[in-house]
Amino acid sequence: GAVVSQHPSRVICKSGTSVKIECRSLDFQATTMFWYRQFPKQSLMLMATSNEGSKATYEQGVEKDKFLINHASLTLSTLTVTSAHPEDSSFYICSARDSRVGGYTFGSGTRLTVV
Amino acid sequence: AQSVTQLGSHVSVSEGALVLLRCNYSSSVPPYLFWYVQYPNQGLQLLLKYTSAATLVKGINGFEAEFKKSETSFHLTKPSAHMSDAAEYFCAVSGGGNAGNMLTFGGGTRLMVKP
Repeated sequence: GAVVSQHPSRVICKSGTSVKIECRSLDFQATTMFWYRQFPKQSLMLMATSNEGSKATYEQGVEKDKFLINHASLTLSTLTVTSAHPEDSSFYICSARDSRVGGYTFGSGTRLTVV
Repeated sequence: AQSVTQLGSHVSVSEGALVLLRCNYSSSVPPYLFWYVQYPNQGLQLLLKYTSAATLVKGINGFEAEFKKSETSFHLTKPSAHMSDAAEYFCAVSGGGNAGNMLTFGGGTRLMVKP
C-alpha cells in the first residue's frame, strides 16, 4: 500500500533556529500533500495544503512566512519552521492523497521541541 | 463546507465488550468518510473508509462502520474489544473525489480498554 515517510521523528532545537521536516511519498506520486499540527490530546489542525510546483495554500491564522512549505517534486514536500519559538513545539504530521485509491496516507509525525 | 463531530472524547469499555465510537458529519457535497487510529507519538493509520460504494464498510482489526445518510452518521464499531485497541480514534470527512479536497477531522475519541 501507499507509504509516506516523514523525517525526523523527533527534533529538539534552540529558540531562533530553523527546522526542516521532510515528507516523502515512497511508492506513489502525490500532487497534493497536507501539513497538520496536533497539540497534546487534541485533534489535527490543518496548517496548509502543499501543491507540487506551486505555492502552498495556508489555512487562516497560519503564518506562511513562519511555516515555509516547498513541494518541489511529486514525491517530496518540506515544512520549515523558521525562527522557532517554544510555542511552536508540537507534533507535526504530513499526509498525501493517493489518487489511485482515493485515500490519504499519513506520515509518522515529527515531535518538535523548541528550548 | 464540512465538519465532523465525535460524541464522547473518552470511551471506556471492558475487554471483550462491544466498541461503539460515534461520528456525525456535515458536508455540502457527497462525502467520503474515514476512520483513523493513532497510537502515542505516531501518525494516523487508516482503519476504513467510505467512498460512496457499500454503506457498511469493513476495515482492519475487526472494525467496521456504517454510513447512514439519513442520520449523517458514520459510527465505528467492533464486536469485541481487545487491549491493543486502546488508542485515539479520529473520524474525518472529505468532499468526495476531488483530488484537492483536504480532510476535516473530528475532535477524536480516546478508547480505553479495561482488563
